[in-house]
Amino acid sequence: DAGITQSPRHKVTETGTPVTLRCHQTENHRYMYWYRQDPGHGLRLIHYSYGVKDTDKGEVSDGYSVSRSKTEDFLLTLESATSSQTSVYFCAISGGQGAAFGTDTQYFGPGTRLTVL
Amino acid sequence: RKEVEQDPGPFNVPEGATVAFNCTYSNSASQSFFWYRQDCRKEPKLLMSVYSSGNEDGRFTAQLNRASQYISLLIRDSKLSDSATYLCVVANQAGTALIFGKGTTLSVSS
Repeated sequence: DAGITQSPRHKVTETGTPVTLRCHQTENHRYMYWYRQDPGHGLRLIHYSYGVKDTDKGEVSDGYSVSRSKTEDFLLTLESATSSQTSVYFCAISGGQGAAFGTDTQYFGPGTRLTVL
Repeated sequence: RKEVEQDPGPFNVPEGATVAFNCTYSNSASQSFFWYRQDCRKEPKLLMSVYSSGNEDGRFTAQLNRASQYISLLIRDSKLSDSATYLCVVANQAGTALIFGKGTTLSVSS
């Protein structure tokens, strides 16, 4: 299994509070992604990173921000959590040797279950 | 047409059965295709990439039909451990991201 960890694994928070989720990888992969998964929607891309300090928006980025200050860490912040952000959040990585951005095999972390009350 | 469309199932089959899943996609220019497997409350894991010539990995066979924009996954001799949700994945039009289908649920019973 790819060396990807996410923290926390579970979190319950209240509406209006900021929340930060962390993704840590030990594979030295260049690209990192944040997805959310909800019933009836499947996996949807929130933000992605194609290098240190290089990030961009995905399909459902409103209400989320990201930062990547080093290769191994990719942080997802919910600036002011809302109930609609209750979801399972997955981090993914790709970009082994010769890999193309965006379309190469992605490896997923174990996920974070976030509940916003 | 939705970007990636799958029959959600569930498919309920007995052990030893052969089962096939289909997936259609809208991006005719896509160059990358995958099947992922996701167990309940777990992360998605790569099952296999899908190549134009078709490919096989043990009991699993994937086929790609570019003309019809159609991908299939065939599972032979189903095992209880094959019970999971199978996600069809296709690169987006710009080639910058993967688009995941909502998944097809398989339940194999003894």
